[in-house]
Amino acid sequence: NAGVTQTPKFQVLKTGQSMTLQCAQDMNHEYMSWYRQDPGMGLRLIHYSVGAGITDQGEVPNGYNVSRSTTEDFPLRLLSAAPSQTSVYFCASRPRTQEQFFGPGTRLTVL
Amino acid sequence: GENVEQHPSTLSVQEGDSAVIKCTYSDSASNYFPWYKQELGKGPQLIIDIRSNVGEKKDQRIAVTLNKTAKHFSLHITETQPEDSAVYFCAASSTSGTYKYIFGTGTRLKVLA
Repeated sequence: NAGVTQTPKFQVLKTGQSMTLQCAQDMNHEYMSWYRQDPGMGLRLIHYSVGAGITDQGEVPNGYNVSRSTTEDFPLRLLSAAPSQTSVYFCASRPRTQEQFFGPGTRLTVL
Repeated sequence: GENVEQHPSTLSVQEGDSAVIKCTYSDSASNYFPWYKQELGKGPQLIIDIRSNVGEKKDQRIAVTLNKTAKHFSLHITETQPEDSAVYFCAASSTSGTYKYIFGTGTRLKVLA
């Protein structure tokens, strides 16, 4: 199993540009989540999904969209990037009641 | 709202000494408490977890204790080694409702050789 994979590893955007961060898991996990990690603030939940076709907002959802058309994929979309979205983004997945597995992260810089 | 407080934010210990990181949670419904280790440039990796029906769990040099009454849980690392140097995160979650994790703000552990 590849586990949780994320692409790209690094990305630089200009303010106002859009992009999609990709996340995929091959463990058939129901739950998938997106977090952002900023210095001194730990991991903050952006959006999460409890199954294909079902998504919900986390702690910091503004400026981000998600969809879950398949069990495996959970892309995160930035519609109009802002410097405040400069961060490291982690995707995670888990089965219903067990431990959560994280991807390697995407480091995003918005100029 | 729900939150998890983690202390200390940084911790330096001599190789071979023990390290203790403490977390406090606010949501009484929390019943699952994982600890993650994050090395530089990598994603967090689960190192140990505990559920609310036990008070302590040990895995080699790592142990976690839980005090449900006080809403405290702690990570204990004995005989620390340089490769233990990393950032450690605690989290609290409930296996009912939305299953969301609430993370602490992290502890940067440095093991000095």
